[in-house]
Amino acid sequence: GAGVSQSPRYKVAKRGQDVALRCDPISGHVSLFWYQQALGQGPEFLTYFQNEAQLDKSGLPSDRFFAERPEGSVSTLKIQRTQQEDSAVYLCASSPPRQGTDTQYFGPGTRLTVL
Amino acid sequence: GNSVTQMEGPVTLSEEAFLTINCTYTATGYPSLFWYVQYPGEGLQLLLKATKADDKGSNKGFEATYRKETTSFHLEKGSVQVSDSAVYFCALVPSRNTGKLIFGQGTTLQVKP
Repeated sequence: GAGVSQSPRYKVAKRGQDVALRCDPISGHVSLFWYQQALGQGPEFLTYFQNEAQLDKSGLPSDRFFAERPEGSVSTLKIQRTQQEDSAVYLCASSPPRQGTDTQYFGPGTRLTVL
Repeated sequence: GNSVTQMEGPVTLSEEAFLTINCTYTATGYPSLFWYVQYPGEGLQLLLKATKADDKGSNKGFEATYRKETTSFHLEKGSVQVSDSAVYFCALVPSRNTGKLIFGQGTTLQVKP
């Protein structure tokens, strides 16, 4: 079946612009995660949803970062007033309920470049 | 705190060589341990996992054993192929159902024919 999809795959923004990154999880997956992966580094956790509830947002680096999942399916990560240090690949992952939250399936990521 | 440390890459091997990628962790409680792989141009894929001490995860000829006494989860493969060239990430979830994966920095493996 279809995997996790993310759009856009590439985004170039001028410093100060707002961006919105979309994630479509695997159908039926309850849990959804966002990670940030800087060049040459491992992914770092940003936030976690179970259905529409945001249960953990401890990894969001500043109040410029905001995530939502209003209907418990598609999620959007929004970054306001982008800065150069926001340049990274943003990964979305989802997890099926019967496996708990341990096995996560990743999308291809959105590469954000802030000029 | 919780963290994962991997051996630095890149690791360059000839085809059919033996592979070891070291991974050690620091965690409170009883974490679950994972290896993820990222092939060129593709997303992260779960390679294998182990959820308790002495468990061995295995997949596609790769193996890793959860060693609580040495806080390690080293990845091994007896005979690598060119198609195994990828970036490998060791990761942990600090306790079941928290969802928060904590990754190492990744190790690039290049296998030459």
